[in-house]
Amino acid sequence: GAGVSQTPSNKVTEKGKYVELRCDPISGHTALYWYRQSLGQGPEFLIYFQGTGAADDSGLPNDRFFAVRPEGSVSTLKIQRTERGDSAVYLCASSLTSNTEAFFGQGTRLTVV
Amino acid sequence: AQSVTQPDIHITVSEGASLELRCNYSYGATPYLFWYVQSPGQGLQLLLKYFSGDTLVQGIKGFEAEFKRSQSSFNLRKPSVHWSDAAEYFCAVGTSGTYKYIFGTGTRLKVLA
Repeated sequence: GAGVSQTPSNKVTEKGKYVELRCDPISGHTALYWYRQSLGQGPEFLIYFQGTGAADDSGLPNDRFFAVRPEGSVSTLKIQRTERGDSAVYLCASSLTSNTEAFFGQGTRLTVV
Repeated sequence: AQSVTQPDIHITVSEGASLELRCNYSYGATPYLFWYVQSPGQGLQLLLKYFSGDTLVQGIKGFEAEFKRSQSSFNLRKPSVHWSDAAEYFCAVGTSGTYKYIFGTGTRLKVLA
């Protein structure tokens, strides 16, 4: 597709379960970002990939959160032992290079019950 | 530490009226500054950005912003608001070379017919 695609658009899970959120960046974009947007807040940076490697994962809140991008394209954000506080919209963005405009997907709304 | 403050949580204006959304930042060096708009169910769309040079920046949809270093501000303006401008607006500050942003908490704009 033409834009950044995130699936699923909505995910409801029970506390303690494991979830995976997928991001398909714009074709050819080498940089990929994950952000988390809690209700009433601006997006918060989680992790940045340049190619296959995580160039900066300083925003991941704890070791329950992990992200991969094995082939330098699609990325998966993985959350273990989900907690109610993990409920938020998870946004993915990609850019052609690290210092060109980033394009955001529509996000995955995660609800932990 | 970097931070972004958007002091107005909600703003209501009449269609055709002028608009100014405030943004103040804290950053130790020359910041990269951005304004994004988020409509319901949509991803973040870049309105404009400031990296260097002319402090008055023109963006899409008739928006402009002015960088004032002395006031640590980057306020967004539009001379005549349209009903379709109703959305949430986010100011962000970034470091050079990446799109690892610090976002403000957003300003929700309501436009009265």
